[in-house]
Amino acid sequence: DTAVSQTPKYLVTQMGNDKSIKCEQNLGHDTMYWYKQDSKKFLKIMFSYNNKELIINETVPNRFSPKSPDKAHLNLHINSLELGDSAVYFCASSQDIGPRRTAFFGQGTRLTVV
Amino acid sequence: AQRVTQPEKLLSVFKGAPVELKCNYSYSGSPELFWYVQYSRQRLQLLLRHISRESIKGFTADLNKGETSFHLKKPFAQEEDSAMYYCALRRGQGAQKLVFGQGTRLTINP
Repeated sequence: DTAVSQTPKYLVTQMGNDKSIKCEQNLGHDTMYWYKQDSKKFLKIMFSYNNKELIINETVPNRFSPKSPDKAHLNLHINSLELGDSAVYFCASSQDIGPRRTAFFGQGTRLTVV
Repeated sequence: AQRVTQPEKLLSVFKGAPVELKCNYSYSGSPELFWYVQYSRQRLQLLLRHISRESIKGFTADLNKGETSFHLKKPFAQEEDSAMYYCALRRGQGAQKLVFGQGTRLTINP
């Protein structure tokens, strides 16, 4: 009964490939996010979706495209992978309104591009 | 734009010693401040929020608007406190994204 789950946990792929990371939350939250943690452990937001609508797009290359089929899922597609895309990608979700808008995170997906 | 700074990338203290992880922010409004913790091989999880004014696992953090700081403190460190700690800011009601500091790796030595 994991709250926010991502698959796969590890992903190793070659440059130029296209890959997807899936995220699902069973908390009933209406907002979902993708964060990137680089090799220096710096965490930065990439996208935010609220009720399947894109709310935040933080200057991420067009090769990254989030897709939200419903408000419980936010998948991340990456085209033409580059070495610099190697990082840990975290999905998160939160409730949009209310005093307890705490973000819950998935376990992360470690992407290694070789 | 808002920014969160954690000046210490690495912090090492002995078990039983006091711990303070520093966090400073820059934002002109009234932010919401958080501390997240990531234990080895585990997901990022919320440790505490300034709004709640709570103590979790012996940790406390006070928002000091004058100094724009939200330092995390614990009087007596335990080995299980070893983890990566992130300070984060959200602009306040209506804002969604969290802006994270660069993180501090805390190691508690036996």
